[in-house]
Amino acid sequence: KQEVTQIPAALSVPEGENLVLNCSFTDSAIYNLQWFRQDPGKGLTSLLLIQSSQREQTSGRLNASLDKSSGRSTLYIAASQPGDSATYLCAVRGSARQLTFGSGTQLTVLP
Amino acid sequence: KAGVTQTPRYLIKTRGQQVTLSCSPISGHRSVSWYQQTPGQGLQFLFEYFSETQRNKGNFPGRFSGRQFSNSRSEMNVSTLELGDSALYLCASSLVRGRADEQFFGPGTRLTVL
Repeated sequence: KQEVTQIPAALSVPEGENLVLNCSFTDSAIYNLQWFRQDPGKGLTSLLLIQSSQREQTSGRLNASLDKSSGRSTLYIAASQPGDSATYLCAVRGSARQLTFGSGTQLTVLP
Repeated sequence: KAGVTQTPRYLIKTRGQQVTLSCSPISGHRSVSWYQQTPGQGLQFLFEYFSETQRNKGNFPGRFSGRQFSNSRSEMNVSTLELGDSALYLCASSLVRGRADEQFFGPGTRLTVL
């Protein structure tokens, strides 16, 4: 059974800092990995999708990497802003096809 | 292009009642999945529908059911509500049912069971 772990559970940084969020998964037989953002009481916003054959994806200040063999992904956020404050979730899609989610990292960017 | 829409956004029910939630996927998307989000269990997969057929089901009791219509809209039903069913119910759609699909989520329906 796939298990996804995200560390740290919560992170507080000053504005302008670069930061890394971590995601690990137990079964490396995945099709893809998605990073999402969730604001309080809201739905999920897709940030980046990495296919199993890819090593990284970039969108603006966000960069996500995938090391399938070691079961790890990182989300790098450059020059953080208060508007980046949210919960970040990673999810993997495996042979069962549904997304398996981590418990998320709650990010607070202080002005 | 409109995103995934879910109705209603908020619901308050009492134990023993039943509830129906609705999801309209992004235009052209044919796969719809449902997830339950609670503080204790996080996000858990309920089921997936494609071409009006349930293709995959998570580990939830039979009180949770769903269906998909020919226009890809989907509904989920929870019967005999329990306090533990209080959660944010999220619907996600994807273009086809391929391995590489990106999933797009709606804003969710917040269900409170009293």
